[in-house]
Amino acid sequence: DGGITQSPKYLFRKEGQNVTLSCEQNLNHDAMYWYRQDPGQGLRLIYYSQIVNDFQKGDIAEGYSVSREKKESFPLTVTSAQKNPTAFYLCASSIDRGGGYTFGSGTRLTVV
Amino acid sequence: GESVGLHLPTLSVQEGDNSIINCAYSNSASDYFIWYKQESGKGPQFIIDIRSNMDKRQGQRVTVLLNKTVKHLSLQIAATQPGDSAVYFCAENHSMDSSYKLIFGSGTRLLVRP
Repeated sequence: DGGITQSPKYLFRKEGQNVTLSCEQNLNHDAMYWYRQDPGQGLRLIYYSQIVNDFQKGDIAEGYSVSREKKESFPLTVTSAQKNPTAFYLCASSIDRGGGYTFGSGTRLTVV
Repeated sequence: GESVGLHLPTLSVQEGDNSIINCAYSNSASDYFIWYKQESGKGPQFIIDIRSNMDKRQGQRVTVLLNKTVKHLSLQIAATQPGDSAVYFCAENHSMDSSYKLIFGSGTRLLVRP
């Protein structure tokens, strides 16, 4: 079955550490996205990529980095520069403009 | 920038009643709209979509209405069930936009009372 997979489901990070969240899709979608969601809040766009080897900053890119070396994969690194990284992170993909997203099941990151 | 917004952060309804979740959008050029359902601890799931050449679309127990004159979108859920309890997001997209980005509303939490 086609889908989008995020791993791990839960992730704990010590202050000052970088962590990488995985996002893989086998839907042959061109575009991929990372969103951050805080408790009781909406979705805020971190980064997005419309094509391999290209990506753009979203609304809250500071303290995050991404890569898009393969069409299927769009990992997100939460760096030590992100001062408040505890949140629920959602990855999504879409086939083209004017269409909807398919979301992953999310990664809950907690700083300990 | 332009955005999609929701008026009511929480909606409480009696099981069996109909629910109506509203959404206002500000970009008159948007031509594609989607409703997503997000259950606690999960990713959003597609419910129903509508393009701007339509004003109504029906699914199973759900109906989306689009009023382009006042830039308003609504999701109607018939015979609301406990499993409908979730946060609902509307989203918009402009197909001529150079990016593929959806713009999401802030969400409405639907609580179903037994």
